[in-house]
Amino acid sequence: RKEVEQDPGPFNVPEGATVAFNCTYSNSASQSFFWYRQDCRKEPKLLMSVYSSGNEDGRFTAQLNRASQYISLLIRDSKLSDSATYLCVARTRRGGADGLTFGKGTHLIIQP
Amino acid sequence: SAVISQKPSRDICQRGTSLTIQCQVDSQVTMMFWYRQQPGQSLTLIATANQGSEATYESGFVIDKFPISRPNLTFSTLTVSNMSPEDSSIYLCSVEEPTGGIGEQYFGPGTRLTVT
Repeated sequence: RKEVEQDPGPFNVPEGATVAFNCTYSNSASQSFFWYRQDCRKEPKLLMSVYSSGNEDGRFTAQLNRASQYISLLIRDSKLSDSATYLCVARTRRGGADGLTFGKGTHLIIQP
Repeated sequence: SAVISQKPSRDICQRGTSLTIQCQVDSQVTMMFWYRQQPGQSLTLIATANQGSEATYESGFVIDKFPISRPNLTFSTLTVSNMSPEDSSIYLCSVEEPTGGIGEQYFGPGTRLTVT
């Protein structure tokens, strides 16, 4: 079983709609979670850190459910510029360092 | 967040040769990491590079194939040795900033390597 799993999509969503992604993780020792956004042929850019109580940043809301080991990302009032791949990421201590484990990403296409 | 640059941005290399990728940060950071993103795949951690100590490699990656240097707190190199076409990938460095204790990582622009 992969450590971080996501639905690869693509999700085709009309502009202005609300879209939600879920992600599950298998390592209960994972400490922190993040959503990154990656545009084609670009490096991943941090979108949000995910806090235990859930957090919101403008149109984006992230939630963490440790009991069920899943993380979600909600995008409201989607824009054309939201089209990208969204990477779910878990941070887990390995030896003395904390590497990131990436999901394969969910492809989002916002349609006009 | 820190500004990270990588050199080269891309290269095409012949099999059997080696390529050294440089990662430069505009501020001092303790933790630097090297990742690989193969075509159509997500990122995989190669190793953690801390200044003043040996790099820590993930399962499936070895020092002979991917030697790493970390001479100071703003710079690191990753060498891809004795390359084969399977090494064609994007190689990215990242740095960790202890934002609010959660440790957020920021990535350089990547080095796109093609091995022929």
